[in-house]
Amino acid sequence: GAGVSQSPRYKVAKRGQDVALRCDPISGHVSLFWYQQALGQGPEFLTYFQNEAQLDKSGLPSDRFFAERPEGSVSTLKIQRTQQEDSAVYLCASSPMLKGLRQQYFGPGTRLTVT
Amino acid sequence: DQQVKQNSPSLSVQEGRISILNCDYTNSMFDYFLWYKKYPAEGPTFLISISSIKDKNEDGRFTVFLNKSAKHLSLHIVPSQPGDSAVYFCAASQKDTGNMLTFGGGTRLMVKP
Repeated sequence: GAGVSQSPRYKVAKRGQDVALRCDPISGHVSLFWYQQALGQGPEFLTYFQNEAQLDKSGLPSDRFFAERPEGSVSTLKIQRTQQEDSAVYLCASSPMLKGLRQQYFGPGTRLTVT
Repeated sequence: DQQVKQNSPSLSVQEGRISILNCDYTNSMFDYFLWYKKYPAEGPTFLISISSIKDKNEDGRFTVFLNKSAKHLSLHIVPSQPGDSAVYFCAASQKDTGNMLTFGGGTRLMVKP
């Protein structure tokens, strides 16, 4: 079956531009996560949805970052007025929320470069 | 403060030998641990996991060991193959926090033919 897909795969934005990154999770997966991965580091948690409810946004680095999942499947991460420090790979993951199974399935990521 | 640490940024191993990747954590509330493998330009791929009620979990060539008292886990790959060359991430999660994952910084494994 299809895995998690993300688009675009690569995005170059001028400083100050707004960007929108899309995530299509595995069909039927209840949970959806966004992570940010800086070069040479591990992914860091940004935000988490259960269906359409955003249950945790404690990892969002500033109020320029906004995420939504209005119908409980596709999610969009929006970054307003991008800054150079926003340059990173943005990873989306989904999970079926089955009891005892906590692995998350990751998409290929969107590499954002802010110039 | 880093709650999950992988102190070896890289590891080189001969094909056929054992690869041992290590991970330490500080948060005693973590109760589930996972290993992910990542190739360039791809997302992390789940390898193996272990619950804190166990001390060992095995899946084919991959075995994860958990030492709760030392807050340490390790991934053993036997025998190592050139296709295992990738970056390996250790991750931990805590029940009742939505199962968000806290990752280590990764270890680059190189398996030489």
